[in-house]
Amino acid sequence: AQTVTQSQPEMSVQEAETVTLSCTYDTSENNYYLFWYKQPPSRQMILVIRQEAYKQQNATENRFSVNFQKAAKSFSLKISDSQLGDTAMYFCAFAYSGAGSYQLTFGKGTKLSVIP
Amino acid sequence: DVKVTQSSRYLVKRTGEKVFLECVQDMDHENMFWYRQDPGLGLRLIYFSYDVKMKEKGDIPEGYSVSREKKERFSLILESASTNQTSMYLCASKYTGEVFNQPQHFGDGTRLSIL
Repeated sequence: AQTVTQSQPEMSVQEAETVTLSCTYDTSENNYYLFWYKQPPSRQMILVIRQEAYKQQNATENRFSVNFQKAAKSFSLKISDSQLGDTAMYFCAFAYSGAGSYQLTFGKGTKLSVIP
Repeated sequence: DVKVTQSSRYLVKRTGEKVFLECVQDMDHENMFWYRQDPGLGLRLIYFSYDVKMKEKGDIPEGYSVSREKKERFSLILESASTNQTSMYLCASKYTGEVFNQPQHFGDGTRLSIL
C-alpha cells in the first residue's frame, strides 16, 4: 500500500517570499506519478503541478516548482514570490498506473497562509 | 475546461434518512470518484467507478453505496445517514486513455450535515 506524509499541518509565509512544503511517500512501485493539488477557501481542488517518476528533471509551472528526490521518496513544492491568492490547503498525492486506472492517495494536507 | 458539478454545496439531513449526492461531469471521462474530506485526515476515497455500471470500493466504503447508470453521472448514497457521516464530500472525474498522468478534476464539494 502507498502512503503519503505531509509533516507540516500549517505554514505561513510573507507575501513575495519563498516557501517550501514537504511531502514524503512510501511505495514499492517504480512507475508512478506525483501531484500537488491546491484547495483555496472557495473549496474547488485544482492541480498545481505533476511529476512523472521516470523523469529526473524537476517539474516547474511558473512560480511553482518541485524538488523530486526519488531515492529519498521526497516530493517538495516550492512557491516563489508568494501571493495572497496562494493561501490554500495544499495536498500532495501519489498515483501509479496499475489496475487499468489509478487511484490517488492523498496526504493530510498543509494549510498555507500568505501574510500581507 | 472540464466541469464537474455537484448538485448541492450545502445539505442538512436527519439521522436515518437516505441521502443522495449527485455528481455530473461534462468531459466524457471514464473514471469518477467520491471522496470525503475531514480536517486532519485529508481526502479519503469512498468509491470509484471505471465505467458505466462499474464500481469499486475505496478505503472507507462502509455506510455508503454508489450508482453509475450513465457515464456522466455518479451518485453517492448514504443508505441510513448517521452523524459520523457529517463531512465535506468531493466528487472527481478523470480521463483514462493511455495517459496515466492525467489529473483528476474536482467539483466544488458538498458540505453535508447530519443532525
